[in-house]
Amino acid sequence: GQQLNQSPQSMFIQEGEDVSMNCTSSSIFNTWLWYKQDPGEGPVLLIALYKAGELTSNGRLTAQFGITRKDSFLNISASIPSDVGIYFCAGRGGTSYGKLTFGQGTILTVHP
Amino acid sequence: DAGVTQSPTHLIKTRGQQVTLRCSPKSGHDTVSWYQQALGQGPQFIFQYYEEEERQRGNFPDRFSGHQFPNYSSELNVNALLLGDSALYLCASSPGWGNQETQYFGPGTRLLVL
Repeated sequence: GQQLNQSPQSMFIQEGEDVSMNCTSSSIFNTWLWYKQDPGEGPVLLIALYKAGELTSNGRLTAQFGITRKDSFLNISASIPSDVGIYFCAGRGGTSYGKLTFGQGTILTVHP
Repeated sequence: DAGVTQSPTHLIKTRGQQVTLRCSPKSGHDTVSWYQQALGQGPQFIFQYYEEEERQRGNFPDRFSGHQFPNYSSELNVNALLLGDSALYLCASSPGWGNQETQYFGPGTRLLVL
């Protein structure tokens, strides 16, 4: 099935470093969402973006809805060990109503 | 406030068998979506239910079917199981049906087909 192109696939960083990951699509989306998934759990919503150009923060997390509506990025500042997990972007748009299209995920490892 | 709940947590079946997975949405939510997540992949949309009807469907064969009950809970049924059906099955709920409604996920049911 169709998936978004999410990069990087994995990241190994030191505690305290900033992290950036992004998602691109060949299709336009009306909504961009960022989720985090821990092992054995379902994805947990981090940030939702509803308008092109929108920049939204949630604590140390900041995400932006690209102007072209075909991309989004997520930044994590001053990473901590509990940031470890898999981060997914998801897009929704057009007549897809409830259908979310997910990226392949970015695996984040934080070394203390 | 209970979140999305799913049962069972784990399930082992053999090829050709049938399986039913269950989902209770978050309180106040009336729309339920099902996703399949293969190991190392992002979730793939199976279908969505609202007002007891299937409203949208992804690229999954007819072996995958569902149902929504008047209390908004939902079931996912998979017939004639294949080895490739082994995955984490996620249920997500949202309040209402429309583009702006954020989906909240349950913990999933891990299905292993032998």
